[in-house]
Amino acid sequence: QKEVEQNSGPLSVPEGAIASLNCTYSDRGSQSFFWYRQYSGKSPELIMFIYSNGDKEDGRFTAQLNKASQYVSLLIRDSQPSDSATYLCAATGGGADGLTFGKGTHLIIQP
Amino acid sequence: EAGVTQFPSHSVIEKGQTVTLRCDPISGHDNLYWYRRVMGKEIKFLLHFVKESKQDESGMPNNRFLAERTGGTYSTLKVQPAELEDSGVYFCASSQDDGTVTYEQYFGPGTRLTVT
Repeated sequence: QKEVEQNSGPLSVPEGAIASLNCTYSDRGSQSFFWYRQYSGKSPELIMFIYSNGDKEDGRFTAQLNKASQYVSLLIRDSQPSDSATYLCAATGGGADGLTFGKGTHLIIQP
Repeated sequence: EAGVTQFPSHSVIEKGQTVTLRCDPISGHDNLYWYRRVMGKEIKFLLHFVKESKQDESGMPNNRFLAERTGGTYSTLKVQPAELEDSGVYFCASSQDDGTVTYEQYFGPGTRLTVT
């Protein structure tokens, strides 16, 4: 059974620091990985995706993928209180396949 | 550009009743997905449409759930008869079929279903 694991948190980070969110996956056939942000009572909002080993940067966000270790991470630089939310990691076998989600990590940015 | 919309936002029904949820994907998106999140659990995939065809319905819990996408536009998810364990938030997502490696899925606001 395909699984995506995340530490549920809460993860507390001071404002301006780097927040590091981690995720592992069980299915070696997984090809693409997504990070979503979800505010309480709202829909998941796509932050970024990655499918190649290494780093991918988009503004204050950096996604990292290590397929050998089956590990995905999201770094948020210069954390802001508005970044406080639940971050969901998701994996897919590729293409237009459905997503397998983790339970999410609750991130709190302390002003 | 309008996002994914879902109706209703909330629904409270009694066990044994029928409920129909609706999803309107982003215009031009051929791929439409249904997901569900029950309390304390992760978001779970239910099924995937490509236009009007069911591409993958491996996540559908049982035959009380029926999804349709007539004409390849909006989709409905009917639960009949509803059971207590069907309570949760039902999300719809859509993605564009652009032939790339990765299809970005955009989520709707969800329908919160409560079965009493």
